[in-house]
Amino acid sequence: DQQVKQNSPSLSVQEGRISILNCDYTNSMFDYFLWYKKYPAEGPTFLISISSIKDKNEDGRFTVFLNKSAKHLSLHIVPSQPGDSAVYFCAATSYSGTYKYIFGTGTRLKVLA
Amino acid sequence: EAQVTQNPRYLITVTGKKLTVTCSQNMNHEYMSWYRQDPGLGLRQIYYSMNVEVTDKGDVPEGYKVSRKEKRNFPLILESPSPNQTSLYFCASSLRGLNEQFFGPGTRLTVL
Repeated sequence: DQQVKQNSPSLSVQEGRISILNCDYTNSMFDYFLWYKKYPAEGPTFLISISSIKDKNEDGRFTVFLNKSAKHLSLHIVPSQPGDSAVYFCAATSYSGTYKYIFGTGTRLKVLA
Repeated sequence: EAQVTQNPRYLITVTGKKLTVTCSQNMNHEYMSWYRQDPGLGLRQIYYSMNVEVTDKGDVPEGYKVSRKEKRNFPLILESPSPNQTSLYFCASSLRGLNEQFFGPGTRLTVL
């Protein structure tokens, strides 16, 4: 049972346009969400997070939106740059104290110059 | 430099031969974790540790052991590796359980 789903395995976007990566979750106990970026032959690196008390969090070109009723979050990258080409993972956990993380399967973003 | 290191980076072994992948962090982090990455399955958590001597199972703990005797080290032990444990393994650490995790460079393991 995949509790965190990224239904788009890949996405191509033109440089300068907006990239929107989506993530759905099924476990209503999740209340803290993170996005990571991964380049080939490297470990993932943290991008941005959001807790369930918020519906939006921004950091520079990156914004994460959380829709709790739909159990859906999205990562917006504006403007997209060729260096953003990577695999993006969303992850979820709970404040309840177990601190067990569930990751999605990833979306490969390609930003075309 | 703040980092998470893993050794070895690449390992080819045979079924049943016990192995250990080491993980060390120099950031005084309390939380450490092991993940495996497989095509189409994303990252799956194997074990995690909230602090010294405190470990717990992640989503896919079968066939793995861990220990946390010191804050900086969190080795992953495969007592009797099998081919289905062929994977890319990542160690990660964070200040506490709900902070961003810093990942190591990965260990590519092949079990023949």
